[in-house]
Amino acid sequence: DTGVSQDPRHKITKRGQNVTFRCDPISEHNRLYWYRQTLGQGPEFLTYFQNEAQLEKSRLLSDRFSAERPKGSFSTLEIQRTEQGDSAMYLCASTWGFQETQYFGPGTRLLVL
Amino acid sequence: QQPVQSPQAVILREGEDAVINCSSSKALYSVHWYRQKHGEAPVFLMILLKGGEQKGHDKISASFNEKKQQSSLYLTASQLSYSGTYFCGTESNAGNMLTFGGGTRLMVKP
Repeated sequence: DTGVSQDPRHKITKRGQNVTFRCDPISEHNRLYWYRQTLGQGPEFLTYFQNEAQLEKSRLLSDRFSAERPKGSFSTLEIQRTEQGDSAMYLCASTWGFQETQYFGPGTRLLVL
Repeated sequence: QQPVQSPQAVILREGEDAVINCSSSKALYSVHWYRQKHGEAPVFLMILLKGGEQKGHDKISASFNEKKQQSSLYLTASQLSYSGTYFCGTESNAGNMLTFGGGTRLMVKP
């Protein structure tokens, strides 16, 4: 059983460019979460999916951010017109049902120049 | 609102014990504890559900005081491998997202 995987692991981009990250959850996990983590801080919730439905979005998720989970499998997080403040580690986690552990992927570290 | 963790940092010698606390101002359904090493993903340690159940495995255990909305993580006879940043994540309802504290940086020295 493979864990949560994320791609790419690192991304350097120039301000104003668009970036897209991918998360592949543990197979058969129906819930998928996106978090953002800046240096020295705990992860901050961005959004989550149950199957293909996006159930909740944080106020942190501006209109430049969009997430999808087509067919309830992998998910993508896109950031349009990146800003330097978007530089962070973007973490994906998955779980099955309620009262269950959220398993985190290795993260995508984004640096916006 | 973000739970508050204390202490913010602690340095131990191998074999010493430590307690990390997590307090919330909101009613909680569960508390999740994770350890994260530099540059790596958070690794799950344990979940505590409301009901005051204490859990543990090996030399790491935790408790959840539902009345006080507080959880404590107990590390006994610390090992070098325990070094890292410990986060508590709180859940107000089943299946919701986790709200993480600011972390406690633990360093275990030989």
